[in-house]
Amino acid sequence: KQEVTQIPAALSVPEGENLVLNCSFTDSAIYNLQWFRQDPGKGLTSLLLIQSSQREQTSGRLNASLDKSSGRSTLYIAASQPGDSATYLCAALYSGGSNYKLTFGKGTLLTVNP
Amino acid sequence: SAVISQKPSRDICQRGTSLTIQCQVDSQVTMMFWYRQQPGQSLTLIATANQGSEATYESGFVIDKFPISRPNLTFSTLTVSNMSPEDSSIYLCSVEQGWSTDTQYFGPGTRLTVL
Repeated sequence: KQEVTQIPAALSVPEGENLVLNCSFTDSAIYNLQWFRQDPGKGLTSLLLIQSSQREQTSGRLNASLDKSSGRSTLYIAASQPGDSATYLCAALYSGGSNYKLTFGKGTLLTVNP
Repeated sequence: SAVISQKPSRDICQRGTSLTIQCQVDSQVTMMFWYRQQPGQSLTLIATANQGSEATYESGFVIDKFPISRPNLTFSTLTVSNMSPEDSSIYLCSVEQGWSTDTQYFGPGTRLTVL
């Protein structure tokens, strides 16, 4: 069974701190690994997408890594800001027969305190 | 990137009634998806909706409970039928642009509470 797990479930940090969010997946036959941000009432926003052949992707203060062999991905946020407070979801894209299907983790609720 | 709107944004419904959620996209897309996010849980795919064909449902979801329409390339509806408190969730639609392995874009979600 394809499962995605995120640790920790919640994280609270002071502003300016660097932090790492963790994601693990049970089936290494992924096509890509995606990180999303979820804000209440605003749906999901795609942050970074790492193809299975890649090791990492960077966007501004965000860096995501992928290790298929160990079934792990990390999202590194540098110099955190209160505006980074949100739930962060990782999702693994698998082939589901005729379609591709995203399998999501439960998310990490991040609070950045001013 | 696609801009997606959903109606209603939230609703409180009585047990045994039905609610239809609308999803509108600002551009034509081939694939549309409906997800459910129960409290404290991850997003779970309900079904994939292709224009002009029957929706494809995931294990544990059936058409009688979650009928879906996809009349054109920019619009879809999901109906939650004969609701019970266990149906209280956030329902999200998403779309795929470009290749199947590209990122999906999500609507803002519909927060449903069933009393």
